[in-house]
Amino acid sequence: NAGVTQTPKFRVLKTGQSMTLLCAQDMNHEYMYWYRQDPGMGLRLIHYSVGEGTTAKGEVPDGYNVSRLKKQNFLLGLESAAPSQTSVYFCASRTRTGGANEQYFGPGTRLTVT
Amino acid sequence: RKEVEQDPGPFNVPEGATVAFNCTYSNSASQSFFWYRQDCRKEPKLLMSVYSSGNEDGRFTAQLNRASQYISLLIRDSKLSDSATYLCVVNTGGNKLVFGAGTILRVKS
Repeated sequence: NAGVTQTPKFRVLKTGQSMTLLCAQDMNHEYMYWYRQDPGMGLRLIHYSVGEGTTAKGEVPDGYNVSRLKKQNFLLGLESAAPSQTSVYFCASRTRTGGANEQYFGPGTRLTVT
Repeated sequence: RKEVEQDPGPFNVPEGATVAFNCTYSNSASQSFFWYRQDCRKEPKLLMSVYSSGNEDGRFTAQLNRASQYISLLIRDSKLSDSATYLCVVNTGGNKLVFGAGTILRVKS
């Protein structure tokens, strides 16, 4: 199993450009999450999904959109990138049963917006 | 007030030392608690879950105090390889986890 994978690993964007980050998991997990991590602020939830075709807003959703057309994939889109979106983005997934189940993370995408 | 608060450190300790981290959470309805470990420029990984009765995994011991709303992690006989950021994580109910900002541990020889 590859677990949770993310593409790309690194990206530099100019202000106003758009891009899509792809997250894929092969563990048949129902729940998937997108976080951003900034120095001193910990992981903050952007959007999440509890199943194919469903998405919900997290703590910091503004400026991002998501889609979950297939159970194994969760896409994060930036329509018009801003320097404030410079961050490390992590995708995660877990099974539905029980709130105590481990959340598995992808390796992260380092995004710089100039 | 943040939902989950941790001392950011860094904690600089010699090899073989015992070190403890605390974490407080604000939501009294929180249901599940965890410690995750994050190495530099890597993704977080589950270190251990935290149970009301306390639990131990080798050199690591986690405790939960629901009355005071804090969680602790004790590391005995610290190794160089324990150097990392330790994230306190709380499930406040439902589908989402809330992460603390992390405590940096540096173990030196």
